Amino acid sequence: DQQVKQNSPSLSVQEGRISILNCDYTNSMFDYFLWYKKYPAEGPTFLISISSIKDKNEDGRFTVFLNKSAKHLSLHIVPSQPGDSAVYFCAASIVNSGNTPLVFGKGTRLSVIA
Amino acid sequence: DGGITQSPKYLFRKEGQNVTLSCEQNLNHDAMYWYRQDPGQGLRLIYYSQIVNDFQKGDIAEGYSVSREKKESFPLTVTSAQKNPTAFYLCASSYKGGNYGYTFGSGTRLTVV
Repeated sequence: DQQVKQNSPSLSVQEGRISILNCDYTNSMFDYFLWYKKYPAEGPTFLISISSIKDKNEDGRFTVFLNKSAKHLSLHIVPSQPGDSAVYFCAASIVNSGNTPLVFGKGTRLSVIA
Repeated sequence: DGGITQSPKYLFRKEGQNVTLSCEQNLNHDAMYWYRQDPGQGLRLIYYSQIVNDFQKGDIAEGYSVSREKKESFPLTVTSAQKNPTAFYLCASSYKGGNYGYTFGSGTRLTVV
């Protein structure tokens, strides 16, 4: 029973275009969401996060949008660069949960083609 | 510089042997976690610890054991009871609280030969 779903295992985008990675969740108690980026044989690195009190958070080329009613969030990368090619994981948490671990999706592999 | 260190980077194990993966952090984080990554499976939680001398099972704890004797250290032992131990193992740490992200180590690739 996956609480965080990334339904697209892979995505290919031309360099310079927009990459949109999607994530859906089922637990309405989740109130904090994070995106991580992972290169092969390395640990994931934090990219961007958003609290449920917001519907958008922006950091340079990266923007995360949250639609609470649809239980959906998306990561936009504009413009996409070859160095963005990696696996992206969506994660969710409940802030006042008593420290239960983050719940991760299965990841989406992004390939940016030059 | 503060960080989280996993060792070794690569580990080979014969069937029937126990092996221990090291994870050390100097970030003063309270919580530590072990994940396993397999192709197409994402990150699956093995064990986690929120405080010294206490830890909880994750989703796939069978065949694994951990200890948390020091705040900085959270070693993972892969026992002979783990039927399919070949995988990429990731350790992470965080402050307590659901709005703190994790800092991950660089991982250990375990291969059973």
